[in-house]
Parts: sequence; structure tokens; C-alpha cells
Amino acid sequence: ETGVTQSPTHLIKTRGQQVTLRCSSQSGHNTVSWYQQALGQGPQFIFQYYREEENGRGNFPPRFSGLQFPNYSSELNVNALELDDSALYLCASSVMIFSGRETQYFGPGTRLLVL
Amino acid sequence: AQKVTQAQTEISVVEKEDVTLDCVYETRDTTYYLFWYKQPPSGELVFLIRRNSFDEQNEISGRYSWNFQKSTSSFNFTITASQVVDSAVYFCALTQDTGNQFYFGTGTSLTVIP
Repeated sequence: ETGVTQSPTHLIKTRGQQVTLRCSSQSGHNTVSWYQQALGQGPQFIFQYYREEENGRGNFPPRFSGLQFPNYSSELNVNALELDDSALYLCASSVMIFSGRETQYFGPGTRLLVL
Repeated sequence: AQKVTQAQTEISVVEKEDVTLDCVYETRDTTYYLFWYKQPPSGELVFLIRRNSFDEQNEISGRYSWNFQKSTSSFNFTITASQVVDSAVYFCALTQDTGNQFYFGTGTSLTVIP
């Protein structure tokens, strides 16, 4: 077990709705990254938060947004859901010492289905 | 640009056979880090190994071994005497020294048949 938890485990929404996914980082980890994993694909980087500030973003539109809280838990918010947003959403926590090189530890993911 | 290619989409082996999962990467950086993760059906990515670009020593951990060759930009993963519990999707990933995202391959689905 990595100590990273996510909620909910499964979620069904309809197109146009908004969704909030939650992640609790491993104790002592100050960085959280979010990934989208479509069926049969590798995870795609959405963004990363370090000390409550966004610290890099992948090729995702602004309707994907996030928050990181002082206790290092975090949220991923997706507005105006589209059918293609159906995927497994993974969060990963790490310790930011130097950018990029630290191992990321993943949670079990939230499976989102958009109808 | 960073890119990771796992050309093997699916592999099936019979229990106790050895199997090698291939990973080829592209990067212009001289310092970078390579990872392997295992994803069982439950979905959680399990960290297996991290290797930096300056350390080309091969590594063995129990039945697992990794062969890193900068000359061919490859970081292959071998499971010796495979077991049913090894059945999972395996991902190779790359990250830069100065950067914050992991670049994942598309994964190799390994099925070990009893």
C-alpha cells in the first residue's frame, strides 16, 4: 500500500455536469500530481501541485482545475463534462526536493463514467 | 520531446517461463529518470524501480531484473520464472531532471497462464 487514497472509487455523471475528485497524499509528501488514464492507454499528466500552487500542467483544457490544501490533500475538478472524460483518474504524491526526479506513489484511482 | 514506447501490447506466457518487457525511450536531456510500474486489475500503479541516466548498472531484485542501455535508449524488464500473480499491465515511464511530469508508455499487458 502506498498510503495514497482517493475518493470516490467510482462515479457516473452525465455530459455537461461538474465533478470533484479527491486525493489524500502519503504522509510527508508535499507534491501531488493528477493523471488521466483512458482505457488501454498509459496515464496522461494533467497537472501538479506543490505547496498549494500549480507547478506544471499537461495538455488539458482549463475546465480541468485543481486545489491542494495545507494538509496536502487535493481535489481535481472537471467542469462541463464530455463523453471523452470517461477514464480512470489517478493521483500521485511525492516529495519535492528537486523537480522531476522523485518517485511518485499512486492511489487506486477514481473511475469516472460520463453518459 | 519526451516519449516512451512499449511496442508489446499483450504478452502471454506459461507459468515458470521467463518474460522480457521492452521499453524504448526518447529524450534530449542528458539527465533523466526511468521507472517501471505495475498496474494490477485494481488500478493502483505499484512502483517497481527507478533508475537515473548515469547509472547503467543492471539491477536484480528477486525474480525481477532490469537492463538499462543508453546506447539503444532501452530499459527492459525481465521476470524470471513467472507466476500467476505477475499478471498485470506494466508501464515504463520517463521524467526529466527539471520537470514535473511523468511520461508513460502505453503499457504491456502480461498474462501468466497456470
